[in-house]
Amino acid sequence: EAGVAQSPRYKIIEKRQSVAFWCNPISGHATLYWYQQILGQGPKLLIQFQNNGVVDDSQLPKDRFSAERLKGVDSTLKIQPAKLEDSAVYLCASSLGLAGSTDTQYFGPGTRLTVL
Amino acid sequence: AQRVTQPEKLLSVFKGAPVELKCNYSYSGSPELFWYVQYSRQRLQLLLRHISRESIKGFTADLNKGETSFHLKKPFAQEEDSAMYYCALGLSLNQFYFGTGTSLTVIP
Repeated sequence: EAGVAQSPRYKIIEKRQSVAFWCNPISGHATLYWYQQILGQGPKLLIQFQNNGVVDDSQLPKDRFSAERLKGVDSTLKIQPAKLEDSAVYLCASSLGLAGSTDTQYFGPGTRLTVL
Repeated sequence: AQRVTQPEKLLSVFKGAPVELKCNYSYSGSPELFWYVQYSRQRLQLLLRHISRESIKGFTADLNKGETSFHLKKPFAQEEDSAMYYCALGLSLNQFYFGTGTSLTVIP
């Protein structure tokens, strides 16, 4: 089966600019996650969708970050405006989203963002 | 609050030696624990989960609720085991918390 797709793979922007990342999950996966992974740290959950509804966005800096999953398939994550500390790898993952279980997550290749 | 601790950022062992990557968690409910691995230039992927009680690539991990640990073990390390390993705690509603990771290097 095709894996989780993300684009772009790399992005370099200047602070205060805007940037958007795209994720296409595995077909049929109801749950979609966006993680931020700063160098030397583990992935930190930013937002979790179940179909097109938000399950958890408690760690999303909502003053500058936004995410949507229209139609419950693809998702975009936006940063506006970017700060230096946003430099990180942004990982998208998906899982089946079965009720009552903790599913295996399948990760995309990530987008490496550098903010100058 | 939920937390996953991996005390070793770097771990080096010789080929053929036993290896143990430590993971401790804090969670008051019934946890599901996972180990994810990232090989060089590859995606993060599931290695094993405690509920499966299986051995993958020679690795095993036992959930010790008394010590709140889920250490990853392999009796004889191989060069291809060199990678970044992340312990993760899974909660209801499929929420996950990851540790900071341990970089394992197996010396030939």
